[in-house]
Amino acid sequence: SAVISQKPSRDICQRGTSLTIQCQVDSQVTMMFWYRQQPGQSLTLIATANQGSEATYESGFVIDKFPISRPNLTFSTLTVSNMSPEDSSIYLCSVVQHQQFFGPGTRLTVL
Amino acid sequence: EDQVTQSPEALRLQEGESSSLNCSYTVSGLRGLFWYRQDPGKGPEFLFTLYSAGEEKEKERLKATLTKKESFLHITAPKPEDSATYLCAVQGTSGGSNYKLTFGKGTLLTVNP
Repeated sequence: SAVISQKPSRDICQRGTSLTIQCQVDSQVTMMFWYRQQPGQSLTLIATANQGSEATYESGFVIDKFPISRPNLTFSTLTVSNMSPEDSSIYLCSVVQHQQFFGPGTRLTVL
Repeated sequence: EDQVTQSPEALRLQEGESSSLNCSYTVSGLRGLFWYRQDPGKGPEFLFTLYSAGEEKEKERLKATLTKKESFLHITAPKPEDSATYLCAVQGTSGGSNYKLTFGKGTLLTVNP
Protein backbone atom coordinates (compact mmCIF):
# COMPACT_ATOMS: atom_id res chain seq x y z
CA SER A 1 0.00 0.00 0.00
CA ALA A 2 1.06 3.60 -0.59
CA VAL A 3 2.82 5.48 2.21
CA ILE A 4 1.31 8.93 2.61
CA SER A 5 2.66 11.79 4.70
CA GLN A 6 1.09 15.14 5.49
CA LYS A 7 2.50 18.42 6.76
CA PRO A 8 1.81 19.96 9.16
CA SER A 9 0.41 17.30 11.46
CA ARG A 10 -1.42 19.98 13.40
CA ASP A 11 -1.70 23.76 13.57
CA ILE A 12 -3.49 26.50 15.44
CA CYS A 13 -4.40 29.51 13.31
CA GLN A 14 -6.09 32.86 13.69
CA ARG A 15 -9.35 33.59 11.92
CA GLY A 16 -8.94 35.31 8.56
CA THR A 17 -5.61 33.66 7.79
CA SER A 18 -4.85 30.80 5.37
CA LEU A 19 -3.07 27.48 5.82
CA THR A 20 -1.57 25.25 3.16
CA ILE A 21 -1.48 21.51 3.86
CA GLN A 22 0.95 19.30 1.97
CA CYS A 23 0.44 15.66 0.99
CA GLN A 24 3.33 13.50 -0.22
CA VAL A 25 3.01 9.93 -1.54
CA ASP A 26 5.89 7.48 -1.89
CA SER A 27 4.79 6.34 -5.36
CA GLN A 28 3.14 7.87 -8.40
CA VAL A 29 -0.64 7.93 -8.28
CA THR A 30 -3.13 9.30 -10.75
CA MET A 31 -5.85 10.38 -8.37
CA MET A 32 -5.53 12.10 -5.02
CA PHE A 33 -8.40 13.19 -2.82
CA TRP A 34 -8.90 15.64 0.01
CA TYR A 35 -11.37 14.87 2.81
CA ARG A 36 -12.53 16.76 5.88
CA GLN A 37 -13.42 15.16 9.21
CA GLN A 38 -15.25 17.60 11.45
CA PRO A 39 -15.80 16.75 15.13
CA GLY A 40 -18.63 14.24 15.46
CA GLN A 41 -19.22 14.18 11.72
CA SER A 42 -18.49 11.79 8.89
CA LEU A 43 -15.45 12.00 6.67
CA THR A 44 -16.54 14.18 3.73
CA LEU A 45 -14.90 14.47 0.33
CA ILE A 46 -13.83 18.02 -0.51
CA ALA A 47 -12.32 17.52 -3.96
CA THR A 48 -10.51 15.21 -6.34
CA ALA A 49 -7.08 16.35 -7.51
CA ASN A 50 -5.81 14.92 -10.79
CA GLN A 51 -2.37 15.79 -12.11
CA GLY A 52 -2.56 18.00 -15.16
CA SER A 53 -6.15 19.12 -14.73
CA GLU A 54 -8.26 21.32 -12.50
CA ALA A 55 -9.46 19.85 -9.24
CA THR A 56 -13.07 18.69 -9.13
CA TYR A 57 -15.00 19.97 -6.10
CA GLU A 58 -17.92 18.31 -4.35
CA SER A 59 -21.16 20.12 -3.65
CA GLY A 60 -20.69 22.66 -0.87
CA PHE A 61 -16.99 23.20 -1.49
CA VAL A 62 -15.55 25.92 -3.72
CA ILE A 63 -12.15 26.62 -5.20
CA ASP A 64 -11.87 30.10 -3.67
CA LYS A 65 -12.12 28.60 -0.18
CA PHE A 66 -10.14 25.39 -0.80
CA PRO A 67 -7.66 25.92 -3.66
CA ILE A 68 -5.77 22.77 -4.57
CA SER A 69 -2.54 22.22 -6.45
CA ARG A 70 -1.31 18.98 -8.02
CA PRO A 71 2.07 19.72 -9.60
CA ASN A 72 3.12 16.08 -10.06
CA LEU A 73 2.05 12.47 -9.47
CA THR A 74 3.37 12.28 -5.91
CA PHE A 75 2.38 15.61 -4.36
CA SER A 76 -0.63 17.83 -3.70
CA THR A 77 -1.52 20.80 -1.53
CA LEU A 78 -4.82 21.97 -0.07
CA THR A 79 -5.16 25.56 1.13
CA VAL A 80 -7.84 26.51 3.62
CA SER A 81 -8.42 30.21 2.93
CA ASN A 82 -9.79 33.03 5.05
CA MET A 83 -10.32 30.63 7.93
CA SER A 84 -13.09 30.80 10.51
CA PRO A 85 -13.62 28.63 13.62
CA GLU A 86 -16.01 26.47 11.55
CA ASP A 87 -12.99 25.31 9.53
CA SER A 88 -11.56 23.60 12.61
CA SER A 89 -11.32 20.02 11.48
CA ILE A 90 -9.02 17.19 10.49
CA TYR A 91 -8.02 17.34 6.82
CA LEU A 92 -6.92 14.11 5.17
CA CYS A 93 -5.53 13.29 1.77
CA SER A 94 -6.05 9.90 0.19
CA VAL A 95 -4.92 8.00 -2.89
CA VAL A 96 -6.20 5.03 -4.82
CA GLN A 97 -3.91 2.05 -5.31
CA HIS A 98 -6.30 -0.85 -5.79
CA GLN A 99 -7.97 0.44 -2.61
CA GLN A 100 -8.25 3.93 -1.16
CA PHE A 101 -5.59 4.72 1.44
CA PHE A 102 -5.47 7.71 3.73
CA GLY A 103 -2.75 9.92 5.12
CA PRO A 104 -2.36 10.59 8.85
CA GLY A 105 -4.33 13.84 8.67
CA THR A 106 -3.74 17.48 9.63
CA ARG A 107 -5.56 18.67 12.73
CA LEU A 108 -6.49 22.34 12.27
CA THR A 109 -7.79 24.58 15.04
CA VAL A 110 -8.98 28.09 14.14
CA LEU A 111 -9.29 30.62 16.95
CA GLU B 1 -27.64 10.65 -2.61
CA ASP B 2 -25.69 7.85 -0.98
CA GLN B 3 -26.18 7.47 2.77
CA VAL B 4 -24.48 5.40 5.45
CA THR B 5 -25.69 4.90 9.03
CA GLN B 6 -23.60 3.06 11.59
CA SER B 7 -24.77 1.63 14.87
CA PRO B 8 -24.17 1.66 17.70
CA GLU B 9 -22.32 4.97 18.03
CA ALA B 10 -20.24 3.47 20.83
CA LEU B 11 -19.74 -0.06 22.10
CA ARG B 12 -17.92 -1.18 25.19
CA LEU B 13 -16.91 -4.85 25.44
CA GLN B 14 -14.98 -7.01 27.83
CA GLU B 15 -11.99 -8.82 26.41
CA GLY B 16 -13.21 -12.01 24.77
CA GLU B 17 -16.81 -10.80 24.45
CA SER B 18 -17.80 -11.15 20.79
CA SER B 19 -20.17 -8.68 19.12
CA SER B 20 -21.11 -7.05 15.82
CA LEU B 21 -21.15 -3.55 14.39
CA ASN B 22 -23.81 -2.55 11.88
CA CYS B 23 -23.60 -0.43 8.76
CA SER B 24 -26.86 0.33 6.93
CA TYR B 25 -26.61 1.98 3.54
CA THR B 26 -28.62 3.35 0.66
CA VAL B 27 -26.92 3.74 -2.68
CA SER B 28 -28.14 3.94 -6.25
CA GLY B 29 -25.67 1.34 -7.41
CA LEU B 30 -23.01 -0.26 -5.22
CA ARG B 31 -19.46 -0.31 -6.51
CA GLY B 32 -18.13 -1.37 -3.13
CA LEU B 33 -18.55 -1.21 0.65
CA PHE B 34 -15.48 -0.49 2.71
CA TRP B 35 -14.49 -0.94 6.33
CA TYR B 36 -11.73 1.14 7.91
CA ARG B 37 -10.23 1.30 11.37
CA GLN B 38 -9.21 4.67 12.78
CA ASP B 39 -7.05 5.09 15.87
CA PRO B 40 -6.98 8.45 17.71
CA GLY B 41 -4.83 10.99 15.91
CA LYS B 42 -4.36 8.81 12.84
CA GLY B 43 -5.89 8.43 9.42
CA PRO B 44 -8.27 5.59 8.56
CA GLU B 45 -6.60 2.21 7.99
CA PHE B 46 -8.10 0.04 5.28
CA LEU B 47 -9.60 -3.28 6.44
CA PHE B 48 -11.98 -4.76 3.84
CA THR B 49 -13.82 -4.19 0.61
CA LEU B 50 -17.05 -6.05 -0.16
CA TYR B 51 -18.58 -5.88 -3.62
CA SER B 52 -21.75 -7.96 -3.68
CA ALA B 53 -24.42 -9.34 -1.36
CA GLY B 54 -23.38 -12.59 0.27
CA GLU B 55 -19.69 -11.78 0.19
CA GLU B 56 -17.63 -12.26 3.35
CA LYS B 57 -14.06 -11.27 4.23
CA GLU B 58 -12.00 -12.19 7.29
CA LYS B 59 -8.87 -10.82 8.92
CA GLU B 60 -7.72 -12.11 12.28
CA ARG B 61 -10.60 -11.52 14.73
CA LEU B 62 -12.66 -9.49 12.23
CA LYS B 63 -15.20 -10.74 9.72
CA ALA B 64 -17.20 -8.49 7.40
CA THR B 65 -20.43 -9.54 5.72
CA LEU B 66 -22.67 -7.82 3.19
CA THR B 67 -26.36 -7.88 2.29
CA LYS B 68 -28.25 -5.63 -0.11
CA LYS B 69 -29.05 -3.17 2.67
CA GLU B 70 -26.39 -3.53 5.34
CA SER B 71 -23.02 -4.82 6.35
CA PHE B 72 -21.85 -6.28 9.63
CA LEU B 73 -18.40 -6.26 11.14
CA HIS B 74 -18.20 -9.22 13.49
CA ILE B 75 -15.52 -9.12 16.17
CA THR B 76 -14.70 -12.49 17.71
CA ALA B 77 -13.00 -12.65 21.11
CA PRO B 78 -11.78 -9.05 20.94
CA LYS B 79 -8.61 -7.84 22.62
CA PRO B 80 -7.87 -4.38 24.05
CA GLU B 81 -5.79 -3.58 20.95
CA ASP B 82 -8.96 -3.84 18.87
CA SER B 83 -10.16 -0.64 20.53
CA ALA B 84 -10.64 1.99 17.79
CA THR B 85 -13.28 3.74 15.73
CA TYR B 86 -14.56 1.56 12.90
CA LEU B 87 -15.73 3.39 9.81
CA CYS B 88 -17.99 2.10 7.06
CA ALA B 89 -18.11 3.70 3.61
CA VAL B 90 -19.84 3.05 0.30
CA GLN B 91 -18.83 3.84 -3.24
CA GLY B 92 -21.85 4.29 -5.48
CA THR B 93 -22.39 4.63 -9.20
CA SER B 94 -24.39 7.88 -9.05
CA GLY B 95 -22.75 11.20 -10.09
CA GLY B 96 -19.54 12.70 -8.83
CA SER B 97 -16.12 11.13 -8.66
CA ASN B 98 -15.93 7.44 -9.50
CA TYR B 99 -13.85 6.98 -6.35
CA LYS B 100 -15.89 9.09 -3.97
CA LEU B 101 -16.48 7.35 -0.65
CA THR B 102 -19.51 8.24 1.48
CA PHE B 103 -18.75 7.51 5.12
CA GLY B 104 -20.82 6.83 8.20
CA LYS B 105 -19.99 8.53 11.49
CA GLY B 106 -18.32 5.42 12.84
CA THR B 107 -18.61 3.15 15.86
CA LEU B 108 -16.23 3.77 18.75
CA LEU B 109 -15.24 0.36 20.12
CA THR B 110 -13.63 0.05 23.53
CA VAL B 111 -12.41 -3.36 24.71
CA ASN B 112 -11.62 -3.56 28.39
CA PRO B 113 -9.07 -6.07 29.72
